[in-house]
Amino acid sequence: AQSVAQPEDQVNVAEGNPLTVKCTYSVSGNPYLFWYVQYPNRGLQFLLKYITGDNLVKGSYGFEAEFNKSQTSFHLKKPSALVSDSALYFCAVRVPSGSARQLTFGSGTQLTVLP
Amino acid sequence: ETGVTQTPRHLVMGMTNKKSLKCEQHLGHNAMYWYKQSAKKPLELMFVYNFKEQTENNSVPSRFSPECPNSSHLFLHLHTLQPEDSALYLCASSPLVGQGFYEQYFGPGTRLTVT
Repeated sequence: AQSVAQPEDQVNVAEGNPLTVKCTYSVSGNPYLFWYVQYPNRGLQFLLKYITGDNLVKGSYGFEAEFNKSQTSFHLKKPSALVSDSALYFCAVRVPSGSARQLTFGSGTQLTVLP
Repeated sequence: ETGVTQTPRHLVMGMTNKKSLKCEQHLGHNAMYWYKQSAKKPLELMFVYNFKEQTENNSVPSRFSPECPNSSHLFLHLHTLQPEDSALYLCASSPLVGQGFYEQYFGPGTRLTVT
């Protein structure tokens, strides 16, 4: 079975400060990892993904994430937060083989960037 | 916009009503998905269609009935729902189901309230 944990329901950060949204995963085999963002009254928007290769992945809106195999983590980061980054963030994982073709999502982390 | 549209955006229905949710994707994808998003819970995958064929049904009650007439359109027919079915229903699409490295593109969702 595959699973994703987002240990923080809520993250608050001041505008201009760096932000981190945490994600850990559990899978059998090599994972594909994704981050999505959901703004109020909108569907999920894809931010970035890790498939293979460089552990540091860069995505939309200045976000990046680092794949750490030993810690089974894929934390989302941004060097300088904007108020407009305030939204609900979801980490997701899937394995590329076997019957587990579903994308498993975490429960989400609400990011609030304070002006 | 992501290229995935959903109608209606809001729906209020009684437990004895029959209604349908519609999803349309303009991305040329071959896989489409229905998800249920409830407050404080991870996204729940309901159904998966690949080339118009249903490939996943995650033990969804029969009061939810999907239909996929072609690769661009997906419906979710609702009848005799329960109040606990109130949620945001999200449609998504991706190029193929079997290729796990593809991200999914989500519609804005239908906010369903069952009274």
